[in-house]
Amino acid sequence: DSGVTQTPKHLITATGQRVTLRCSPRSGDLSVYWYQQSLDQGLQFLIQYYNGEERAKGNILERFSAQQFPDLHSELNLSSLELGDSALYFCASSASTGASYNEQFFGPGTRLTVL
Amino acid sequence: GDSVTQMEGPVTLSEEAFLTINCTYTATGYPSLFWYVQYPGEGLQLLLKATKADDKGSNKGFEATYRKETTSFHLEKGSVQVSDSAVYFCALLTGTASKLTFGTGTRLQVTL
Repeated sequence: DSGVTQTPKHLITATGQRVTLRCSPRSGDLSVYWYQQSLDQGLQFLIQYYNGEERAKGNILERFSAQQFPDLHSELNLSSLELGDSALYFCASSASTGASYNEQFFGPGTRLTVL
Repeated sequence: GDSVTQMEGPVTLSEEAFLTINCTYTATGYPSLFWYVQYPGEGLQLLLKATKADDKGSNKGFEATYRKETTSFHLEKGSVQVSDSAVYFCALLTGTASKLTFGTGTRLQVTL
């Protein structure tokens, strides 16, 4: 158990809908990262928050957004969903940011299926 | 940009066989290197890491050495077990970036 929790575990929805994925980092970790794992794109970094502020952005679509709240939990919002958004979404956390030795601890993931 | 290339899978081995999964990288600066493992139906777990050249990371019988001259971080295990069946991801992280860059993953299947 990494200490990172994600809800829900599974999500099935229809095209055009909007969903919210939730992540609670390990106790004391200030950084939260979101990754998408899909069959065609592999594991890709989406976005990082550090202590409530956006710190780094990867291949995140404009239809997707995220935020980190004062209690440090984070939410990833996916809107106008398309079939191709079906994937496993991971959240990870680390103690700080900017240092190459910062270990990231991964949650169990949310499997999103868009029908 | 940063990238990681790892060998295609699946890799199928008999129990107690020797395992090598190749990983090479391209990065600006001096990255830290990681191997993550994903067991069926689970999230990613850090298996081992190395933060500078010539460092050897090791855990659960797995080893990998950070080779700057060949930009490689190959994963090895002397004797695999059925319980090692999983997908293994090589990844790098540079000091100026916060994101992990992953390889495509290598599926390992160990049979009795």
